[in-house]
Amino acid sequence: GQNIDQPTEMTATEGAIVQINCTYQTSGFNGLFWYQQHAGEAPTFLSYNVLDGLEEKGRFSSFLSRSKGYSYLLLKELQMKDSASYLCAVRGSNDYKLSFGAGTTVTVRA
Amino acid sequence: NAGVTQTPKFRILKIGQSMTLQCAQDMNHNYMYWYRQDPGMGLKLIYYSVGAGITDKGEVPNGYNVSRSTTEDFPLRLELAAPSQTSVYFCASSYDSKVPQFFGPGTRLTVL
Repeated sequence: GQNIDQPTEMTATEGAIVQINCTYQTSGFNGLFWYQQHAGEAPTFLSYNVLDGLEEKGRFSSFLSRSKGYSYLLLKELQMKDSASYLCAVRGSNDYKLSFGAGTTVTVRA
Repeated sequence: NAGVTQTPKFRILKIGQSMTLQCAQDMNHNYMYWYRQDPGMGLKLIYYSVGAGITDKGEVPNGYNVSRSTTEDFPLRLELAAPSQTSVYFCASSYDSKVPQFFGPGTRLTVL
């Protein structure tokens, strides 16, 4: 089975940094995705990790440790528009399927 | 490119009614997926398809059916609607399984 855990909510101030953790226990591992989902909208792709280490994309970075079953998404220089839900999703031994965590709602305050 | 489109955007059904949620993509993607998203829960995979004529069950297929007669279209059928099927339904597609999935705007379904 698949078990993916991430915190339910986080709050941070505009301009700050927030780190969203994701731990997973899955049948096999073939990659981890992070998606952003604004309220009432569809998820949109942010990042993909398949090897250990840090992937940086502008203000967003994602880290993976396969041995620890752990990933994090780092959001830097937070802006009000970053207020959204962030979904961690793991591709397990079946290549075709993604298993999603429940999502972390990030609220950015002025 | 329109990307992934879904119709309708909203629908209210009575218990026992049937309906088809439409999904289409114009990116020539082989892989297509149907998810449901309940409040506070992650996306749950209902059905997926790896190409025209090929479909398979996901985590929560009961009460649903799909078909994939063309590369572009992947409709989801609810035969006997139940209140437990009240949810937001997302269709997604990808070129293959190793790349990100693109999601449609969703269909918000209420069963009363």
